[in-house]
Amino acid sequence: QLQLQESGPGLVKPSETLSLTCTVSGGSISSRSYYWGWIRQPPGKGLEWIGSIYYDGGTSFNPSLKSRVTISVDTSNNQFSLKLRSVTAADTAVYYCTRLYLAHSGSYPFDSWGQGTLVTVSS
Amino acid sequence: QSVLTQPPSVSAAPGQKVTISCSGSSSNIGNNYVSWYQQLPGTAPKLLIYDNNKRPSGIPDRFSGSKSGTSATLGITGLQTGDEADYYCATWDSSLSAGVFGGGTKLTVL
Repeated sequence: QLQLQESGPGLVKPSETLSLTCTVSGGSISSRSYYWGWIRQPPGKGLEWIGSIYYDGGTSFNPSLKSRVTISVDTSNNQFSLKLRSVTAADTAVYYCTRLYLAHSGSYPFDSWGQGTLVTVSS
Repeated sequence: QSVLTQPPSVSAAPGQKVTISCSGSSSNIGNNYVSWYQQLPGTAPKLLIYDNNKRPSGIPDRFSGSKSGTSATLGITGLQTGDEADYYCATWDSSLSAGVFGGGTKLTVL
């Protein structure tokens, strides 16, 4: 059974870089049937798509965050990572790593989610 | 302000049916597939519906989805107290080149 597990610091100082890693188990990150992505949820608020990556390194990002975001993939360790630069308090959120399923229709629903990790931006 | 508009809350009695709407535009719902997610309190979201009306394996047929024009609807029949959760719609927005979510709807089973 596929499992996704986020890891990284729970507290980041303003203006610094938020770094998270998602470890995938029970499935291969190199599968051509899936993308891999990050979604965040500020406390008490809704969901926001951050960006997604394919096993070959191809990426897409939310335009509102694109200038500050890097997503990378490490197929040898079955992991993918998120870096968000120049963080502010507005970046405080639960960050989820997800798998996106390439449906026959061509859509990409988020079919599997990590448990999420709370990252607080504060000095 | 979310790109997709959902009612903040809905409620119904156990055993009854409820629908949750998701309104968008031609750049998102009108020309792309919709998915729906259930987020139980304190947990990660879970995929309920994809491609407007398809259910992943393991999702009971009490949950259904439909789409018409620039709006989509999630239906839940035979409501149970365990269905109390936040529900989110999502799709791709071709103008924004971004995945977008609705603001979420809190379902209360009275």
